[in-house]
Amino acid sequence: EAQVTQNPRYLITVTGKKLTVTCSQNMNHEYMSWYRQDPGLGLRQIYYSMNVEVTDKGDVPEGYKVSRKEKRNFPLILESPSPNQTSLYFCASSLRPGLEEAFFGQGTRLTVV
Amino acid sequence: AQTVTQSQPEMSVQEAETVTLSCTYDTSENNYYLFWYKQPPSRQMILVIRQEAYKQQNATENRFSVNFQKAAKSFSLKISDSQLGDTAMYFCASDLTGANSKLTFGKGITLSVRP
Repeated sequence: EAQVTQNPRYLITVTGKKLTVTCSQNMNHEYMSWYRQDPGLGLRQIYYSMNVEVTDKGDVPEGYKVSRKEKRNFPLILESPSPNQTSLYFCASSLRPGLEEAFFGQGTRLTVV
Repeated sequence: AQTVTQSQPEMSVQEAETVTLSCTYDTSENNYYLFWYKQPPSRQMILVIRQEAYKQQNATENRFSVNFQKAAKSFSLKISDSQLGDTAMYFCASDLTGANSKLTFGKGITLSVRP
């Protein structure tokens, strides 16, 4: 089954404690992306990757890092989380971004206290 | 700036009736794709329908259809014979930059289907 898998689905952490949200896809897509969803703001892109070792900033990259060492994995790293990063996070992959369907993970609800 | 606007935050419809969700966008690109995604309470993002801007014919998928007005930059979603399972948040989205690097999403609309 074609899918994007994110872990964890829920996470509560404290300010400043580094965390990683994992994302893996089994569709051999070159393109992967991270979004955050906040009430009244829709989804906003954090980072994206067009291929292995190629990453670029989206609209709201501050406070986040990503890496793309393998095609299937695209982890999101928060080196020093702050309360304003409390949000719902989605990983997505696509065969042709903006042209074909984007496949989304199940979402990660992150709370930073 | 490339933007996607959904001006209605909430809508409600009686089961079996028809509802239309509005979306407008702004782009200087001539060729692009437009999407409607559904997010039910499970949070999963699900593609509802896709429209290619260079196609004049409106896309349809079963009970879902779009009214695409390219000159007006309008892309509304019509849901016919609404079902309780249609209760969800709906997002309009497009890659308006032409760079094929991201989707720009609207703020979303919460649709409630009443029994």
